[in-house]
Amino acid sequence: GESVGLHLPTLSVQEGDNSIINCAYSNSASDYFIWYKQESGKGPQFIIDIRSNMDKRQGQRVTVLLNKTVKHLSLQIAATQPGDSAVYFCAETITTSGTYKYIFGTGTRLKVLA
Amino acid sequence: DVKVTQSSRYLVKRTGEKVFLECVQDMDHENMFWYRQDPGLGLRLIYFSYDVKMKEKGDIPEGYSVSREKKERFSLILESASTNQTSMYLCASSLYPWDGSSYEQYFGPGTRLTVT
Repeated sequence: GESVGLHLPTLSVQEGDNSIINCAYSNSASDYFIWYKQESGKGPQFIIDIRSNMDKRQGQRVTVLLNKTVKHLSLQIAATQPGDSAVYFCAETITTSGTYKYIFGTGTRLKVLA
Repeated sequence: DVKVTQSSRYLVKRTGEKVFLECVQDMDHENMFWYRQDPGLGLRLIYFSYDVKMKEKGDIPEGYSVSREKKERFSLILESASTNQTSMYLCASSLYPWDGSSYEQYFGPGTRLTVT
């Protein structure tokens, strides 16, 4: 992921509205993508994943969209709740020589306004 | 319930000290990872290990080493701590998705290291 400097992009959303968090990935050979949520003082927690042979996947209140043409990933959260306030990271997966590693994006802070 | 634990939540060390960060997972995972997290830079991979006694450099291995003597334990070592190693350190573990299953990594709560 590329650095966007010291300031984390922030998305402020009214409670009950839908949130869309975007991520650009760097490697066209990446074949698997994950979204993580990180609450203050905690490690990242898995939200949803998608393979490169799909363009959409839905979970509970969340949808991930993948556009391989422009190397873009988005996370949609329906009916955003205060508990959704966190930093969200996308990660692309590169598989090499029998193992794999993630490349993380820099993250987006989601603030839910009451 | 899946569990990754890290030896300390907060650590303060002096410049030049040798620092050990310990990570233990109870899920019998093959893969373990060490990241550092800095504001605006996201998570950057320091080292990873896909088996006992095996290790691979990540994107920023300089100034660090690792040890994996047992499957459940992965240690990060700062041979001579410097102030630019002040950061949040996150450990993670995962299965290898041999059967096309998830690449999900399970993270510990992190260790916030301050080097003065």
